[in-house]
Amino acid sequence: QSMLTQPPSVSAAPGQTVTMSCSGSTSNTGNNYVSWYQQLPGTAPKLLIYDNNKRPSGIPDRFSGSKSGTSATLGITGLQTADEADYYCGSWDSSLRAWVFGGGTKLTVL
Amino acid sequence: QLQLQESGPGLVKPSETLSLTCTVSGDSISDYYWSWIRQTPGKGLEWIATMFYGGTTKYNPSLKSRITISGDTSKSLFSLKLTSMTAADTAVYFCAGGGYGDRFEFWGRGSLVTVSS
Repeated sequence: QSMLTQPPSVSAAPGQTVTMSCSGSTSNTGNNYVSWYQQLPGTAPKLLIYDNNKRPSGIPDRFSGSKSGTSATLGITGLQTADEADYYCGSWDSSLRAWVFGGGTKLTVL
Repeated sequence: QLQLQESGPGLVKPSETLSLTCTVSGDSISDYYWSWIRQTPGKGLEWIATMFYGGTTKYNPSLKSRITISGDTSKSLFSLKLTSMTAADTAVYFCAGGGYGDRFEFWGRGSLVTVSS
């Protein structure tokens, strides 16, 4: 069972906007940075968002992150079929003294 | 831009020790954080350990007694040893690295390790 809770799946049509959540606790997402990773089928995860809402160089501004309390959200605007992937959130857990991840959300672009 | 490539045995027998290496290109390993993360088939991600070369190392408490992680600047690689392997350790093992300890910036392609007799 993952320490961070993500919905198993979300879906939307091309061009639309989708959001997905990542819920944790005060020992992880509530007091530490959240990062998001995109995993296309058969590939390694790729850093999308770090420090809750920052994008690494090369990540389009269609991807955004936010955090409120113990929950974080990843948003994707202007959905493309190429965005179909699994999305994982991660955060350091100060109580466990370990990195924890969510179980992942599978995005389907209909 | 760092590039990482894992290498390992592919198949390990139960009770044996897994040895994986991650070869790094693009910069010296001495200035970065280096991590191992695994993903079981069809499941999510599990963090194994993170080292800052020449500094502290952090381990997943559930695996700590079985882990050794080390780096070799002369060969630009870092390594993972995981002892007492069982079927539950069957997974794709990723190495990851970056300049900051609060994210995993660069990833290898992953190395599938199957535990079976």
